[in-house]
Amino acid sequence: EIVLTQSPATLSLSPGERATLSCRASQSVGGTYLAWYQHKPGQAPRLLIFDASTRATGIPHRFSGSGSGTDFTLTISRLEPEDFAVYYCQQYDSSPETFGQGTRLEIK
Amino acid sequence: QVQLVQSGAEVRKPGASVKLSCKASGFTFTNYYIHWVRLAPGHGLEWMGIINPSSGVTMSAQNFQGRLTFTRDTSTGTVYMELSSLRSEDTAVYYCGRVAAVRTPIDYWGQGTLLTVSS
Repeated sequence: EIVLTQSPATLSLSPGERATLSCRASQSVGGTYLAWYQHKPGQAPRLLIFDASTRATGIPHRFSGSGSGTDFTLTISRLEPEDFAVYYCQQYDSSPETFGQGTRLEIK
Repeated sequence: QVQLVQSGAEVRKPGASVKLSCKASGFTFTNYYIHWVRLAPGHGLEWMGIINPSSGVTMSAQNFQGRLTFTRDTSTGTVYMELSSLRSEDTAVYYCGRVAAVRTPIDYWGQGTLLTVSS
């Protein structure tokens, strides 16, 4: 099983700042089969990035993903008020398709 | 439009079973796979398993040790998840989600179903 470790657990930033979230895999994720999701309380998770760096339909350009192998990053270039949420990475290269434990992005 | 509509909140006692549903619309049900994922209080998202609605073939996470069953009704476009021998740690919001193929991400999610397990 591929274990995904996200850091930091909580990130406190202000609107307009840049956010950098990390996701590290216990073994290489083949084919860059890694996604990022945004999750707000009471809502369904929302796909932001797939294949490590491809934005999903309708996702603003301020969201970008990068990385390969075992190290992946989600960057939000300039935070908007609606971006404060929990972010999860997920690998879908091998079963079980594991998630990281999440990074809570909170308003400073 | 693509929708996955899940059944309403449930309350069960420890040791009981529960069957949750996820009804698909706006796409060809049998052309996709459906995942089940849960979010327990104080925890992150946990992948539970997957069903191929076309063939009925399923795969479950080992964590659930035979307590978990996925089924589908192709006539109504609905998949079901049954979890037995419930314990308090199963209290969570359960989500279904659609994927187009193996090695693709979950692009649409249901709204979630809250299951509370309490005596």
